[in-house]
Amino acid sequence: GNSVTQMEGPVTLSEEAFLTINCTYTATGYPSLFWYVQYPGEGLQLLLKATKADDKGSNKGFEATYRKETTSFHLEKGSVQVSDSAVYFCALRGTGGFKTIFGAGTRLFVKA
Amino acid sequence: DGGITQSPKYLFRKEGQNVTLSCEQNLNHDAMYWYRQDPGQGLRLIYYSQIVNDFQKGDIAEGYSVSREKKESFPLTVTSAQKNPTAFYLCASSSSSGSYEQYFGPGTRLTVT
Repeated sequence: GNSVTQMEGPVTLSEEAFLTINCTYTATGYPSLFWYVQYPGEGLQLLLKATKADDKGSNKGFEATYRKETTSFHLEKGSVQVSDSAVYFCALRGTGGFKTIFGAGTRLFVKA
Repeated sequence: DGGITQSPKYLFRKEGQNVTLSCEQNLNHDAMYWYRQDPGQGLRLIYYSQIVNDFQKGDIAEGYSVSREKKESFPLTVTSAQKNPTAFYLCASSSSSGSYEQYFGPGTRLTVT
């Protein structure tokens, strides 16, 4: 079945550092891929998405490229801020289904 | 503003009592979902509904029940049969077309003692 694997956290960075959170997936066909962010005590918010191979999703300085050849959707940001401290979830939705599969989440701490 | 509301934010119950968590959306979405999140964990799907008057069990449906009598509403009942009900509960909705991204409510933190 479909699955998502993302790097374990926590990830601790200093402000203005470069961020990469790895995400790989297993799925048949051409799933849609998502990154969600969860701030403490809140629900998840969609950060970015990509629906076909080689698409790049971007939002608020974050980017991720749908790589079918490596089944990956790594999240990157060039310069993190303290306000980026949150938990980040990689997710996929397979073709023909209503269920979204979420990774375990990666907690990011950004120090001033 | 369109969105999803969950109430209450915090809920406390005694063991052995049933409790119902509210979820309402005004996004005109057909599909709605309930997830459970435990500390430091990812999301686990409890129930989902693709259309009014229809719903399916997710991965951890035992001890929970739902109804979908209106498009806007998808309440979740945590019954006394749920062995470990203390958790953070998240409701979400999505369109039936397009890329199907989910929109989440703010969550309800349930504590059972």
